[in-house]
Amino acid sequence: DVKVTQSSRYLVKRTGEKVFLECVQDMDHENMFWYRQDPGLGLRLIYFSYDVKMKEKGDIPEGYSVSREKKERFSLILESASTNQTSMYLCASTPSSGGVGKNSPLHFGNGTRLTVT
Amino acid sequence: SQKIEQNSEALNIQEGKTATLTCNYTNYSPAYLQWYRQDPGRGPVFLLLIRENEKEKRKERLKVTFDTTLKQSLFHITASQPADSATYLCAPSRDMRFGAGTRLTVKP
Repeated sequence: DVKVTQSSRYLVKRTGEKVFLECVQDMDHENMFWYRQDPGLGLRLIYFSYDVKMKEKGDIPEGYSVSREKKERFSLILESASTNQTSMYLCASTPSSGGVGKNSPLHFGNGTRLTVT
Repeated sequence: SQKIEQNSEALNIQEGKTATLTCNYTNYSPAYLQWYRQDPGRGPVFLLLIRENEKEKRKERLKVTFDTTLKQSLFHITASQPADSATYLCAPSRDMRFGAGTRLTVKP
């Protein structure tokens, strides 16, 4: 079974801190995604990557950056955390090659619930 | 702009009945549509994919329809059980955007 692992289930950080959320997948997937999920708003795409060192902005990239130095690892970085970034963060991957656009399903991690105080 | 709407935020039904969830989309021309299930505190899990040339797809008690003219997909759970209680999400695109989800509660 594909496993997508997010390093922390719960995280509490202070306003202004730099925050790293880590995601690792074990199935050699090319595509990886970061979402945040908020009540009533559903899943919103922050960034995605279809290859090492490649990244694309999603719908809400402001205040975030990402890093993909190795194929299996996709990191989400909050440069200066703010209270409006309190949310559930979900990482996902797909096995498609050649970029996003094939019909393979997403495999999700179990999320990191981040609270910024 | 592109929009994905799932008919209601919450749906309550009695055990044994059929649950029907709706996913409507605008300004998309998806070649396929996916449905996911999400339990509290967990990530979504893929259930079914239906392609634009498929009108209907079934998997055990699940049935999905896809009407590209109406820009709508219906997701049915027949003979529903309390264990089917979860949030169900649709993703009608190549670019992995999701609807906000419908929280289904099946009461015994």
